[in-house]
Amino acid sequence: NAGVMQNPRHLVRRRGQEARLRCSPMKGHSHVYWYRQLPEEGLKFMVYLQKENIIDESGMPKERFSAEFPKEGPSILRIQQVVRGDSAAYFCASSPKQGAYGYTFGSGTRLTVV
Amino acid sequence: DQQVKQNSPSLSVQEGRISILNCDYTNSMFDYFLWYKKYPAEGPTFLISISSIKDKNEDGRFTVFLNKSAKHLSLHIVPSQPGDSAVYFCAASETNNAGNMLTFGGGTRLMVKP
Repeated sequence: NAGVMQNPRHLVRRRGQEARLRCSPMKGHSHVYWYRQLPEEGLKFMVYLQKENIIDESGMPKERFSAEFPKEGPSILRIQQVVRGDSAAYFCASSPKQGAYGYTFGSGTRLTVV
Repeated sequence: DQQVKQNSPSLSVQEGRISILNCDYTNSMFDYFLWYKKYPAEGPTFLISISSIKDKNEDGRFTVFLNKSAKHLSLHIVPSQPGDSAVYFCAASETNNAGNMLTFGGGTRLMVKP
C-alpha cells in the first residue's frame, strides 16, 4: 500500500515561470491537504480538497496560487509567475475521512525559484 | 499570531536519558493534538496523538501529556536513542472545524548523543 506520493521531489523554476506540484493520496483516502514549510519554520496550512471540490482554501495566497483535485488523477498545486519568496517545501497529506485521524504526509516537493 | 508555539528550537540529550519536548497553544477550541517527527528531506511522520478528553497517552517509549488549563502539552521520550534525532513538530486541530487543518508549531530539533 503505497503512501502519499508527491512529484517531483525537487523543482527549480526561474522567476515568472509556472510550478506544478502533484500529489497522489493514499489508496482509499479522498481528503487531500496542502501545506507549505518555509525555511526554519513550521508547516502552514494552504488548502483542503475532496474530489472535485475545494473545501477550505483559507491558507492560500489570494493571487498566483490554485489547487485542484479532479475526479481522475492526482491533486495539483499550481503556482503561476513564481517569485523567490515561493521557494519552500510543499507537503501534501491525505486522510480517509474528515478529521485529523489518519493524516499521512508525503515526502514533499522542494521548490527553488532562481 | 502563532496559535501553537514550541519555544525551544533545539534540545540536546544523552542517549538513554529522557527527552522532554514542550508545546504551548492559545486557541481554546483546539481539542486534538498530535506530534510529528521529521527527518531532513522527508515528510512529517505521525508519532502520537491525544484528545482533549485525556491528559496522558502512552505508546512505547513515547508519552504525551496534556494540561488543558495551562494550554500546554509535552512529549516525553524515554529512553532516548540516537535514531530519535530529528525535528519534532506539535500540531493541533479543532474537531468541529470543517477544514480540519492542522496548526503546527515551529518545531524543536532533538539531538540524542551516543
